[in-house]
Amino acid sequence: NAGVTQTPKFQVLKTGQSMTLQCAQDMNHEYMSWYRQDPGMGLRLIHYSVGAGITDQGEVPNGYNVSRSTTEDFPLRLLSAAPSQTSVYFCASSRQGAKVGSNQPQHFGDGTRLSIL
Amino acid sequence: GENVEQHPSTLSVQEGDSAVIKCTYSDSASNYFPWYKQELGKRPQLIIDIRSNVGEKKDQRIAVTLNKTAKHFSLHITETQPEDSAVYFCAASIGSYIPTFGRGTSLIVHP
Repeated sequence: NAGVTQTPKFQVLKTGQSMTLQCAQDMNHEYMSWYRQDPGMGLRLIHYSVGAGITDQGEVPNGYNVSRSTTEDFPLRLLSAAPSQTSVYFCASSRQGAKVGSNQPQHFGDGTRLSIL
Repeated sequence: GENVEQHPSTLSVQEGDSAVIKCTYSDSASNYFPWYKQELGKRPQLIIDIRSNVGEKKDQRIAVTLNKTAKHFSLHITETQPEDSAVYFCAASIGSYIPTFGRGTSLIVHP
């Protein structure tokens, strides 16, 4: 298994440009999520999905869109890039617990380092 | 929503010493508490987790304790080694799978 694969690993954009960060997992996990990591701020949740066709907002969703058309893929779209979106982005997936409340650990991708000029 | 506070933000120890990182959470309904280690430039990776029906869990040099009454949990690393140097994140989740993360602790182990 490749686990969680993110592409690209690095990207430089100009303000106002749009782009899509790709995330794919081959573990048949139901849950997928996107985080951004900034110095001293930990991992902040952008958007998440509990299954194909279902998405919801996290703590910092503004300026980002997601969709989940398949179990495997969960792309993150930046609509109009801003310098404040310069960050490291992590995609994660996890298995649904066998019973309600039996949370499972998250598996992270290698991250995408995004700089917006 | 859940709020997780993590302390200290930076911890510097000598090789062989013990290190303790503490986290508090706000919602008493939280029932799952994972800890992740992130080496420089790498992805966060799970090192240990604990559920609300357990008070302590050990894995070699790493242990986690949970005090549900006080709503805090701690990571203990004994006999620290230079390869333990990394950023450590605690997290808590309430019934659903979405964890809330602490802001991280940068652990530096001096040889």
